[in-house]
Amino acid sequence: GAGVSQTPSNKVTEKGKYVELRCDPISGHTALYWYRQSLGQGPEFLIYFQGTGAADDSGLPNDRFFAVRPEGSVSTLKIQRTERGDSAVYLCASSLGAMNTEAFFGQGTRLTVV
Amino acid sequence: DQQVKQNSPSLSVQEGRISILNCDYTNSMFDYFLWYKKYPAEGPTFLISISSIKDKNEDGRFTVFLNKSAKHLSLHIVPSQPGDSAVYFCAASGLTGANNLFFGTGTRLTVIP
Repeated sequence: GAGVSQTPSNKVTEKGKYVELRCDPISGHTALYWYRQSLGQGPEFLIYFQGTGAADDSGLPNDRFFAVRPEGSVSTLKIQRTERGDSAVYLCASSLGAMNTEAFFGQGTRLTVV
Repeated sequence: DQQVKQNSPSLSVQEGRISILNCDYTNSMFDYFLWYKKYPAEGPTFLISISSIKDKNEDGRFTVFLNKSAKHLSLHIVPSQPGDSAVYFCAASGLTGANNLFFGTGTRLTVIP
């Protein structure tokens, strides 16, 4: 597809479980971002990849959160030992290169931890 | 600590009239500002941006104004159309953190036909 694709669109998991959220960026976009949007809030930055490496992971809330982008394209956000407070919409975005803030967002994955 | 603030959670405007959405920021290091539009169940879509070296940027019906001394920006939509009904997010970034956007909490715009 032409846009950023995120799967699944919805995920319900039990507290304590492990989840993986996937992002397929726009082809050719080297920069990839993960954001989290809680109810009634704006998106909050989690992590930024330039190519395969995490250039800035300062937004990850704790060590239960981890993200990878092994081949510089698809990225997976991994959350261990999920907590109810992790419930949010997780947004992925991509852009052509570093320092480009006109990023294109996917539709998000709505994570619900019960 | 919210560095980008949108103090109006909602706004209703009659079709054809002007919509004005406001945004304030606290970090004087921000030098690039963006507006995103979001429909339900979709990701935010880039709308318009402005660099801190400008005070106005116009794109069709959309104009963004920046007042650096007041740390305030606004988005004007004229004429407003029912299809403009969405949540609008203001976002900001700085040179050294250009890969990290700081978003406001959003304003829900409803354009009444």
